[in-house]
Amino acid sequence: AQSVTQPDIHITVSEGASLELRCNYSYGATPYLFWYVQSPGQGLQLLLKYFSGDTLVQGIKGFEAEFKRSQSSFNLRKPSVHWSDAAEYFCAVGAGNTDKLIFGTGTRLQVFP
Amino acid sequence: SAVISQKPSRDICQRGTSLTIQCQVDSQVTMMFWYRQQPGQSLTLIATANQGSEATYESGFVIDKFPISRPNLTFSTLTVSNMSPEDSSIYLCSVEGLAKNIQYFGAGTRLSVL
Repeated sequence: AQSVTQPDIHITVSEGASLELRCNYSYGATPYLFWYVQSPGQGLQLLLKYFSGDTLVQGIKGFEAEFKRSQSSFNLRKPSVHWSDAAEYFCAVGAGNTDKLIFGTGTRLQVFP
Repeated sequence: SAVISQKPSRDICQRGTSLTIQCQVDSQVTMMFWYRQQPGQSLTLIATANQGSEATYESGFVIDKFPISRPNLTFSTLTVSNMSPEDSSIYLCSVEGLAKNIQYFGAGTRLSVL
């Protein structure tokens, strides 16, 4: 069965520092992978996605993620964090033969000035 | 991407009552989904709603508790029936856009049951 693990429940960084949020998935074939962000009181916004091809994908707001099949990982990165990046980040995996998404438990990012 | 509107944005309800949540999309979509996000938790899929057919419910969710309507390609409703405090959650609607397997979300409905 598909599953997604986000090992870090809460991460705190200083503004301007680099960021990496971890995501590990379990799926037999090549998965569809997503990162969503949920700001306080808001719905989910799609940051980026990986379906196939180049394993380094660029998203909105300066985020990128790298798919590593050997590690079953899809970590999210940003070189310099802004205070407005404080939010909850969800990694999700989808199967090619269905439209369902399985979400990780989320990582809450706190940014200090 | 699609623009998705959910109503109400929040509500406080008494136990034993029911609440119907509306989801309106600005374009025709085939697949619509309803999720629940319990306090401090991740999203759990309740059901998938396709126009013209019965909704498909995930394990642990039943139609009597969460009836869903999908009368056309731009609209769906989710009813939370006979509510209890355990139903206090954020309920989110999502749609699959033109690109298959990519879902876009509404802002959610924040429900508190007293």
